[in-house]
Amino acid sequence: ETGVTQTPRHLVMGMTNKKSLKCEQHLGHNAMYWYKQSAKKPLELMFVYSLEERVENNSVPSRFSPECPNSSHLFLHLHTLQPEDSALYLCASSQDWGGYGYTFGSGTRLTVV
Amino acid sequence: DQQVKQNSPSLSVQEGRISILNCDYTNSMFDYFLWYKKYPAEGPTFLISISSIKDKNEDGRFTVFLNKSAKHLSLHIVPSQPGDSAVYFCAATPLANAGGTSYGKLTFGQGTILTVHP
Repeated sequence: ETGVTQTPRHLVMGMTNKKSLKCEQHLGHNAMYWYKQSAKKPLELMFVYSLEERVENNSVPSRFSPECPNSSHLFLHLHTLQPEDSALYLCASSQDWGGYGYTFGSGTRLTVV
Repeated sequence: DQQVKQNSPSLSVQEGRISILNCDYTNSMFDYFLWYKKYPAEGPTFLISISSIKDKNEDGRFTVFLNKSAKHLSLHIVPSQPGDSAVYFCAATPLANAGGTSYGKLTFGQGTILTVHP
């Protein structure tokens, strides 16, 4: 499989649940990103991992916890979310600064009930 | 404070005509700009980019224009086709991110929904 793969595609969870989003890239890229897309808002950068080290955390609440066990995998662990956290969560990867564009996954549509 | 703005939430165009999508930015440090296209149920895909050393970049039916003094860029699609119907995002990054850094930091606009009617 090539490109950036995200699972699950859809997730419904209660506010007391714990779940994880998974992202996998087979492009040999050295940087991976989590973005959040809410309706009618810009894509918001949440976290950046470069060479498996977290280099950016854009004031994201602690109920979102990223993990990058190796250069190909990225997780977003979720716990005690709020309904306003419902959104499309997109993973992306790039080689270095991504001058020719990031490669995005198809996203996980998260609904918090 | 939104540093990249796409003030038109939607645009409707007839097939064969020109589509013009606009984007404004406020951060003077931005020196490299990209456009992405997103279909429903898919992630955004890279379309075209432009560096601040240029004012125009062309790739087939797609042309991006950059007006640095106005902090404005636009994407022209001509002729427009029904398959171009999608959400278009512009993004920007400081060129200082280039040259050996190991990751990027794109700032995106909120997107414009383009509908091309047959």
